[in-house]
Amino acid sequence: AQSVTQLDSQVPVFEEAPVELRCNYSSSVSVYLFWYVQYPNQGLQLLLKYLSGSTLVKGINGFEAEFNKSQTSFHLRKPSVHISDTAEYFCAVSSQDTNAGKSTFGDGTTLTVKP
Amino acid sequence: GAVVSQHPSWVICKSGTSVKIECRSLDFQATTMFWYRQFPKQSLMLMATSNEGSKATYEQGVEKDKFLINHASLTLSTLTVTSAHPEDSSFYICSATRDFTDTQYFGPGTRLTVL
Repeated sequence: AQSVTQLDSQVPVFEEAPVELRCNYSSSVSVYLFWYVQYPNQGLQLLLKYLSGSTLVKGINGFEAEFNKSQTSFHLRKPSVHISDTAEYFCAVSSQDTNAGKSTFGDGTTLTVKP
Repeated sequence: GAVVSQHPSWVICKSGTSVKIECRSLDFQATTMFWYRQFPKQSLMLMATSNEGSKATYEQGVEKDKFLINHASLTLSTLTVTSAHPEDSSFYICSATRDFTDTQYFGPGTRLTVL
């Protein structure tokens, strides 16, 4: 079994400032890691994923995340945010020994970008 | 590519009636589909995993007689909420994967309101 902890429920930030959304996970087996964004009343959109290889993963909309196995973390970063980045962000983990699509989600982080 | 649709996008029904929600993979064959439930300001809760041609696997605590899932083809899965009650009101989201190691592609969600 695995679990995901998103350390910040809400992150307010000013436009053009950098942001980091923190995600820790626990699992007894190797994992795949994901970040999703959800806009109000919409489904989830994949921002980026880590399956294997380079621990620094670049995604859409200028986001990137770094997989740190020793710290069991997968923090999401963006160097300069825009108003349009205001949304709910979910970190998710899947075990490599089961269907990769079967994910456990964190509770989400609400990113609010202020002008 | 990898587009998933849901129909309807929203539905309002009377208590005691049944509601069917469709999830379709538009441009790929989905060997597995997942159904999630999301309460306001909360994370996604996996309800069941659906494989084409076989019975769905329900997560602990999810009533399989209440939430009927059918995965009749590689592009269509349906969720039927039987004898709906106000507490079933929620946002239902499906996702689909192409194979065992694939990531999930999410539908836009269906807002169910039971009066």
